[in-house]
Amino acid sequence: QKEVEQNSGPLSVPEGAIASLNCTYSDRGSQSFFWYRQYSGKSPELIMFIYSNGDKEDGRFTAQLNKASQYVSLLIRDSQPSDSATYLCAVRLIRGNQFYFGTGTSLTVIP
Amino acid sequence: GAGVSQSPRYKVAKRGQDVALRCDPISGHVSLFWYQQALGQGPEFLTYFQNEAQLDKSGLPSDRFFAERPEGSVSTLKIQRTQQEDSAVYLCASSTVAGGQETQYFGPGTRLLVL
Repeated sequence: QKEVEQNSGPLSVPEGAIASLNCTYSDRGSQSFFWYRQYSGKSPELIMFIYSNGDKEDGRFTAQLNKASQYVSLLIRDSQPSDSATYLCAVRLIRGNQFYFGTGTSLTVIP
Repeated sequence: GAGVSQSPRYKVAKRGQDVALRCDPISGHVSLFWYQQALGQGPEFLTYFQNEAQLDKSGLPSDRFFAERPEGSVSTLKIQRTQQEDSAVYLCASSTVAGGQETQYFGPGTRLLVL
């Protein structure tokens, strides 16, 4: 079982809609959780992180963490074509220094 | 510097050739990570440095892979006797603590193609 699982997609939403991206993780010792956006041929760029149960909002982005169910999600409100990218979920365990990444979900926002 | 830089950006190697990939982290960042990203996959952890100390190298796939950071700044990932399965993008990230959490910032990557 992989440490981090994501639906690879592709996920398509119309412009202006809410895009919902989900991620599950296997290790209950996971400490903190990150969402990265990766455009094709580019390196990942950090969108936001969360480490407490509940919601965390930053502009059009909201991260949600549920440690009991071991899932973390990312909501993108008012989706724009420029949001079209692959979204990577990453977790960091309490032990060690490793960050584990999912395979990413491909999002396309249709104008 | 303004961000993490890596060189070369692209490298084509013949099978069996040795390659060296360089990473310049953000100035002042203590931690440095190397990842391997195959096409369509997420980054896979290779190794981690805190200053000049290599604290975790559990992700290095074989003894052909070697990384160093002798002065706690620039790091080099070396691959000896390259194989076709080594073809991937090699990402370097440096990290700092922000908002109480260690967050990573990635370089542009080196795209390695082994023929």
